[in-house]
Amino acid sequence: EIVMTQSPATLSLSPGERATLSCRASQSVSSSYLSWYQQKPGQAPRLLIYGASTRATGIPARFSGSGSGTDFTLTISSLQPEDFAVYYCQQDYNFPYTFGQGTKLEIK
Amino acid sequence: QLQLQESGSGLVKPSQTLSLTCAVSGGSISSGGYSWSWIRQPPGKGLEWIGYIYHSGSTYYNPSLKSRVTISVDRSKNQFSLKLSSVTAADTAVYYCARDRGGPEGAFDIWGQGTMVTVSS
Repeated sequence: EIVMTQSPATLSLSPGERATLSCRASQSVSSSYLSWYQQKPGQAPRLLIYGASTRATGIPARFSGSGSGTDFTLTISSLQPEDFAVYYCQQDYNFPYTFGQGTKLEIK
Repeated sequence: QLQLQESGSGLVKPSQTLSLTCAVSGGSISSGGYSWSWIRQPPGKGLEWIGYIYHSGSTYYNPSLKSRVTISVDRSKNQFSLKLSSVTAADTAVYYCARDRGGPEGAFDIWGQGTMVTVSS
């Protein structure tokens, strides 16, 4: 099983700041099979990024993804109030599909 | 626009079987290239993929749950289902159904709203 480890667990930032979230895989993952999701309280996760760097439909350009191999990054260029949420990375390169434990992005 | 809606028992007794259904609307579950997954989230915790059924009917389950899980499809009703047997309190979670585009640049692009299942006597 590929273990996905996200850091930091919690990130405290102010609106307008840049957020950098990390995701590390326990073994190499093809970037085509790496996705990021956003989850707000009481809601289902929402797909943000797939293929490591492609924004899903309707996702603002301030969200970007990068990385390859075992290290991947989600960047939010200028935080908006609605961006404070929990973010998960996920791989579907190998079975079983696995998620990271999440990074909580909170308002400082 | 494709939508998913979970339904089923919200309270299950220990050792019994959890049963949930995901109704697909706005599109056909038989559309090629997609798989249909169940994912769960215990209260205050992260996401765990349970398994999927492919549009062809083939299935794959998370080995951690494989002995207790069955996912099936009812094409006539455009829905798929989850059965999880011998449940314990550790199976208490919000259960989501989701569509997986599959293959490279796949991902879970459409999710149901989720349904809370509590295991308690």
